[in-house]
Amino acid sequence: DQQVKQNSPSLSVQEGRISILNCDYTNSMFDYFLWYKKYPAEGPTFLISISSIKDKNEDGRFTVFLNKSAKHLSLHIVPSQPGDSAVYFCAASHSGTYKYIFGTGTRLKVLA
Amino acid sequence: DAGVIQSPRHEVTEMGQEVTLRCKPISGHDYLFWYRQTMMRGLELLIYFNNNVPIDDSGMPEDRFSAKMPNASFSTLKIQPSEPRDSAVYFCASSDSNQPQHFGDGTRLSIL
Repeated sequence: DQQVKQNSPSLSVQEGRISILNCDYTNSMFDYFLWYKKYPAEGPTFLISISSIKDKNEDGRFTVFLNKSAKHLSLHIVPSQPGDSAVYFCAASHSGTYKYIFGTGTRLKVLA
Repeated sequence: DAGVIQSPRHEVTEMGQEVTLRCKPISGHDYLFWYRQTMMRGLELLIYFNNNVPIDDSGMPEDRFSAKMPNASFSTLKIQPSEPRDSAVYFCASSDSNQPQHFGDGTRLSIL
């Protein structure tokens, strides 16, 4: 049973436009969420996180939105750049545990 | 700063052989995690340690898998005997308490 789902396996966006990556979760105990970026032959790299006490967190071109009632989070990248082309994973965990449950990833391609 | 270091980067071996994967976490990090990434199951947590002590090994697939952390700067994941279905990319990650996990670049394991 997938507790964290990324339903879009891939996404293509023009350079300069907004990229929106989505993630849904089923476990209401999750209270901490993260996005990781992964390039081929490298490990995942932490991008941005959000606690359930917030509904938005920004870091430069990256913004994560959390909708707790819908059990949904999204990552916005604006403006998108060709170097953003990678696989993006969302992950979730809950207080008292350091276990991350990862989604299956979305491959983003930013077209120049 | 040195990140999480994994060795070897690639391992090809025959079914039935013992496989040992190695990980050096970031200095000062007190949590260490082992993950496995496959096409079918995505990125899944196998086991994690806190201060060299295994905390949760519920993700270890079967008794053929074992992990140790003899000191704060070294961990191993061993598979004995190995089987073709163990073929995957194995990642090690470390973190400082409740900070985001930092991943190594993984070991790509192929069991023939």
